[in-house]
Amino acid sequence: QKEVEQDPGPLSVPEGAIVSLNCTYSNSAFQYFMWYRQYSRKGPELLMYTYSSGNKEDGRFTAQVDKSSKYISLFIRDSQPSDSATYLCAMRGEFGNTGKLIFGQGTTLQVKP
Amino acid sequence: DGGITQSPKYLFRKEGQNVTLSCEQNLNHDAMYWYRQDPGQGLRLIYYSQIVNDFQKGDIAEGYSVSREKKESFPLTVTSAQKNPTAFYLCASSIDRGLGTEAFFGQGTRLTVV
Repeated sequence: QKEVEQDPGPLSVPEGAIVSLNCTYSNSAFQYFMWYRQYSRKGPELLMYTYSSGNKEDGRFTAQVDKSSKYISLFIRDSQPSDSATYLCAMRGEFGNTGKLIFGQGTTLQVKP
Repeated sequence: DGGITQSPKYLFRKEGQNVTLSCEQNLNHDAMYWYRQDPGQGLRLIYYSQIVNDFQKGDIAEGYSVSREKKESFPLTVTSAQKNPTAFYLCASSIDRGLGTEAFFGQGTRLTVV
């Protein structure tokens, strides 16, 4: 079993839809949670960064962390065609080997005009 | 502008050859990393360096080598011992001396064996 599981999709939605992207994980030592967006043939760019449990909002994007369920989510409101990309979750712990940044497989999102 | 520069963007390797991928950053970050990305597998850590003249193996270091002689540079050599080198290679850096919090990525090098 992988430490971080992410449904690879592809996920196709109409413009304006609310998108929910999710990751589950198995290591309870993870404390830092990140979402990256990657356009085709480009490097990933950091979208959201959250420490421990809770919600964080930035414009149309909301990141949620539920450590009790080992589940994180990224919500995109009013999705746009420019949101079409691969979304990668990433997480790490505090010390030693759990400090290594672990990535999910990535979910490919297509927003249709 | 500050950032991470990877070169070349595309690289072709013949069987049995060693090739070196360049990664330069002007962000004054201490830590630098190399990841490999294959379809459907996310990013896998090859090597990382938290300080000049020091580096550590990641999860898939076999067949790769690195050096960190300068803070701004972290080249990756893909040796002939790497049996399946065709992939997208990503370099990243972070100011955090931990492994990758808020890592910033370059634009990648796509390596193909011909």
